[in-house]
Amino acid sequence: EIVLTQSPGTLSLSPGERATLTCRASQSVSSSYLAWYQQKPGQAPRLLIYGASSRATGISDRFSGSGSGTDFTLTISRLEPEDFAVYYCQQYGRSPGTFGQGTKVEIK
Amino acid sequence: EVQLVQSGAEVKKPGESLKISCKGSGYSFASYWIGWVRQMPGKGLEWMGIIYPGDSDTRYSPSFQGQVAISADKSISTAYLQWSSLQASDTAMYYCARLRHYDSGAYFGDYWGQGTLVTVSS
Repeated sequence: EIVLTQSPGTLSLSPGERATLTCRASQSVSSSYLAWYQQKPGQAPRLLIYGASSRATGISDRFSGSGSGTDFTLTISRLEPEDFAVYYCQQYGRSPGTFGQGTKVEIK
Repeated sequence: EVQLVQSGAEVKKPGESLKISCKGSGYSFASYWIGWVRQMPGKGLEWMGIIYPGDSDTRYSPSFQGQVAISADKSISTAYLQWSSLQASDTAMYYCARLRHYDSGAYFGDYWGQGTLVTVSS
């Protein structure tokens, strides 16, 4: 099973700042099969990025993904109030797909 | 518009059985895999298993094999997650998700249900 480690655990930033979230895999993720989700309190996860860098339907271009192999990054260019949430990465290169433990982006 | 609507919250006692549902609309339900995800209180996300409603091909994650049953009825565009004997440790939020599924067996969820909270307590 591929283990995903997200860092930092919590990111404290102000609206308008740039957020950089990291997801590191214990083994190489084939074909960059890496997705990112956003989850707000009391809500279901929402797909943001798949294939490491492709934005899902309706997702703002403030969100971008990059990386390959074992190291992946989600960048939020300018934080809006609605972006404060928990973010999860998920690899789907090897079954079963596994999630990282999440990064909480909170208002500083 | 793609929508997945899950059944409502449940409160059960240990040992009881339960079946929760996930109804899809706005797309060809039979043509997309559906997955179930567990989120225990204050914790992260775990895939439990997946099903292809078109032929009911079902696959379970190792941790959930034998613990739950996944089924689907394509005639009513609904997938199910079932327990025969609940335990307190089954207390969690359960989500269904429509999957983008690849021939390699890889998948991720592109649309999600709103979640069903299951509470198991004596």
